[in-house]
Amino acid sequence: QSVLPQPPSASGTPGQRVSISCSGSSSNVGRDYVSWYQQLPGAAPKLLIYNTNQRPSGVPDRFSGSKSGSSASLAISGLRSDDEADYYCVVWDNSLSGYVFGTGTKVTVL
Amino acid sequence: EEQVVESGGGLVQPGGSLRLSCAASGFSVSTYWMHWVRQAPGKGLVWVSRINKNGRTTDYADSVRGRFTISRDSAKNTLILEMNSLRVEDTAVYFCAKDFVGPYDQWGQGTLVTVSS
Repeated sequence: QSVLPQPPSASGTPGQRVSISCSGSSSNVGRDYVSWYQQLPGAAPKLLIYNTNQRPSGVPDRFSGSKSGSSASLAISGLRSDDEADYYCVVWDNSLSGYVFGTGTKVTVL
Repeated sequence: EEQVVESGGGLVQPGGSLRLSCAASGFSVSTYWMHWVRQAPGKGLVWVSRINKNGRTTDYADSVRGRFTISRDSAKNTLILEMNSLRVEDTAVYFCAKDFVGPYDQWGQGTLVTVSS
């Protein structure tokens, strides 16, 4: 099962904006909705973004998603210490007939 | 309150079998697509399998197709993952998820499967 490349790490100071990329292809990111999950240490993943740019109820608008061609991005604005976590993109891959996750990005708040 | 709780994990030898269960409460497993996702120790998330609302459509990751079977027990409101011919690389925490990537997404805390001799 292939995975979608993400930068292994990203960091910022409190209040800053951090952006995480997710690179795909025409069989996945280029043709379908992208979702983003946040995973705190030892916890189950939590959905932050679905349908590329929609937030589930309860997710603050500091988190936003976008897509351009076969690349997607998650932006975190107003960075907070409790944003320290791993972040994963995920999308349906039409060639594989299955979901593929990104490699994950660890966000550190300096 | 909606909740899913996984069980059935444990230590098994390579080539062995294991049956995971995901007990749902607060909703019916027949009203959502249900999924299994796994995470090897210290590694990233990997989607494993899904089953649709009526139980007639299933999909699997290439790495488990032909060895794992997803199903539902509607009477017990439970999602099941039958795992056969287990390999060392199947070692992971297995999560059950309702409405994966949807607005009503809900995950359990996972159950650990260890494949080792």
